[in-house]
Amino acid sequence: AQTVTQSQPEMSVQEAETVTLSCTYDTSESDYYLFWYKQPPSRQMILVIRQEAYKQQNATENRFSVNFQKAAKSFSLKISDSQLGDAAMYFCAFRYGGSQGNLIFGKGTKLSVKP
Amino acid sequence: EPEVTQTPSHQVTQMGQEVILRCVPISNHLYFYWYRQILGQKVEFLVSFYNNEISEKSEIFDDQFSVERPDGSNFTLKIRSTKLEDSAMYFCASRRDGNYGYTFGSGTRLTVV
Repeated sequence: AQTVTQSQPEMSVQEAETVTLSCTYDTSESDYYLFWYKQPPSRQMILVIRQEAYKQQNATENRFSVNFQKAAKSFSLKISDSQLGDAAMYFCAFRYGGSQGNLIFGKGTKLSVKP
Repeated sequence: EPEVTQTPSHQVTQMGQEVILRCVPISNHLYFYWYRQILGQKVEFLVSFYNNEISEKSEIFDDQFSVERPDGSNFTLKIRSTKLEDSAMYFCASRRDGNYGYTFGSGTRLTVV
């Protein structure tokens, strides 16, 4: 069974600094997708970034980028130039490939941003 | 940008009562999901729905739960006889196909008293 592990329950970063959130996963599949979701206090789930396992290039979305290490089954999220609005819970999620497939979430990392 | 709409945003119900949580997925999406998040815990998969039938369900999704897509636009989750432990945030999500990401609704906070 697939599992997703986020080993950092809480992280803190100074505004304008860079922070990296860790995520590891376990699967025997070769075709899958990885996601980072942001959940602010409103509790809405917002997609931050996604990565297809078959792509070697790390995904990037503005200030957000990932370090995808397929052999190590690691998928960390880097937030550059952190802003106060980045404060939220961040969830790493896995979906195996194919037309269907539900998301499997990690337990989340609570990110605080200090002014 | 298209949105997944969930109603109500907050529902309080007595234990043992039936509740129906409603969702309007994005119109050209094909796959529909319900997830729940108990306060302070991770998001858990409940059920997926495709081509007018359940395609997968978790062990959480027991006989107390059912889903429907009654009119081609709404997607509902019914809990027949609510328990205190059903108190959670319930998220609806939809997905187009292929490697498209999920779009989540803003959730329904269910409180069972």
